[in-house]
Amino acid sequence: DAKTTQPNSMESNEEEPVHLPCNHSTISGTDYIHWYRQLPSQGPEYVIHGLTSNVNNRMASLAIAEDRKSSTLILHRATLRDAAVYYCTPGEYGNKLVFGAGTILRVKS
Amino acid sequence: DSGVTQTPKHLITATGQRVTLRCSPRSGDLSVYWYQQSLDQGLQFLIQYYNGEERAKGNILERFSAQQFPDLHSELNLSSLELGDSALYFCASSLGTGSSYEQYFGPGTRLTVT
Repeated sequence: DAKTTQPNSMESNEEEPVHLPCNHSTISGTDYIHWYRQLPSQGPEYVIHGLTSNVNNRMASLAIAEDRKSSTLILHRATLRDAAVYYCTPGEYGNKLVFGAGTILRVKS
Repeated sequence: DSGVTQTPKHLITATGQRVTLRCSPRSGDLSVYWYQQSLDQGLQFLIQYYNGEERAKGNILERFSAQQFPDLHSELNLSSLELGDSALYFCASSLGTGSSYEQYFGPGTRLTVT
């Protein structure tokens, strides 16, 4: 399984941008990078995913390094509802997601 | 609401028993995935089905089995339950198979083995 490395926790102020980094140096060349987030006792929620180029959707942006060994999830204006555990995970054969410990994001008002 | 439904929400049973967890994918999704989340192991992939066929297998114990039916719903069967099987079990679905597809997770079934 590909291994990902994320900071254990990060803190942000409300209304400010947040950049959540992820290292995935062993990712296969054809595997997409996925980001999910999870609130306590809830199922993971899809945030964004991409292969090589930067991606944007209504929730976030994803910046993928040219060598694909790392990526950064960007929340443009953090709100209290964005406080969660954020996971980056490669989608391996058949789209099996391999979750690490994730990053706990705390948002201060 | 992701559109993925799981039943039951909670399940309490004794060691040695057998239970069945049920998942209905989002309308139109052909792939179903099962994940286990425990405090010590985190979120772990168990198994994937695509249009009725097993597609990928993770760290699924031999005591566990799953299937996907013609109407695309899926069931995860857990037998000879042990205390360590207590966990949250999530089902997810996606339109197709392959990592270009995002997955949508259900609310989970919390299994407690006493």
